[in-house]
Amino acid sequence: DVKVTQSSRYLVKRTGEKVFLECVQDMDHENMFWYRQDPGLGLRLIYFSYDVKMKEKGDIPEGYSVSREKKERFSLILESASTNQTSMYLCASSGETAQNTEAFFGQGTRLTVV
Amino acid sequence: DQQVKQNSPSLSVQEGRISILNCDYTNSMFDYFLWYKKYPAEGPTFLISISSIKDKNEDGRFTVFLNKSAKHLSLHIVPSQPGDSAVYFCAASRIARGGSYIPTFGRGTSLIVHP
Repeated sequence: DVKVTQSSRYLVKRTGEKVFLECVQDMDHENMFWYRQDPGLGLRLIYFSYDVKMKEKGDIPEGYSVSREKKERFSLILESASTNQTSMYLCASSGETAQNTEAFFGQGTRLTVV
Repeated sequence: DQQVKQNSPSLSVQEGRISILNCDYTNSMFDYFLWYKKYPAEGPTFLISISSIKDKNEDGRFTVFLNKSAKHLSLHIVPSQPGDSAVYFCAASRIARGGSYIPTFGRGTSLIVHP
């Protein structure tokens, strides 16, 4: 079974803090993604990575950065957390072939910025 | 600008009946279409997918139909069960930088199946 593990289920951080969300996958997937889920807005792509050290902006990258130093790990960084970044953050990974386009998700991190 | 639209935020169905969830898309470059199911406090799980060269894919109680000319797909669940109650996300994948397929998600439809 594919396993995508996010380091925290719940986080509470203060405005202005630097926040790290960690994600690890164990299926040797090339692609990794960070989404955020907000009520009524669905899942919106923040960043994705198709290889180690490679990253591409998604639809809402502002206020975020990412790091992929190893194939299995993809980190999301909030440089200076703000209250509008309170959300559910979802990490996902997927393989490279066209026949396996489905993404496998972690359990999510509920981040609250106060 | 939403490329994947799920216009019904919620759907209520009686157990044993058919559930039909709809999805529209605007980008003709999408190659694959997928449905995910999400329970509260969990990540989405993949349900079923269809390639753009097909018009139907079936897996047990779940069938996805694709109408490419109308840029519309639907998920049919027959018969519906109370355990199917969840939020269903439609997603469409396009090839992007590095040859990866990137899913774009709709806003979701909350399905409630009443016993």
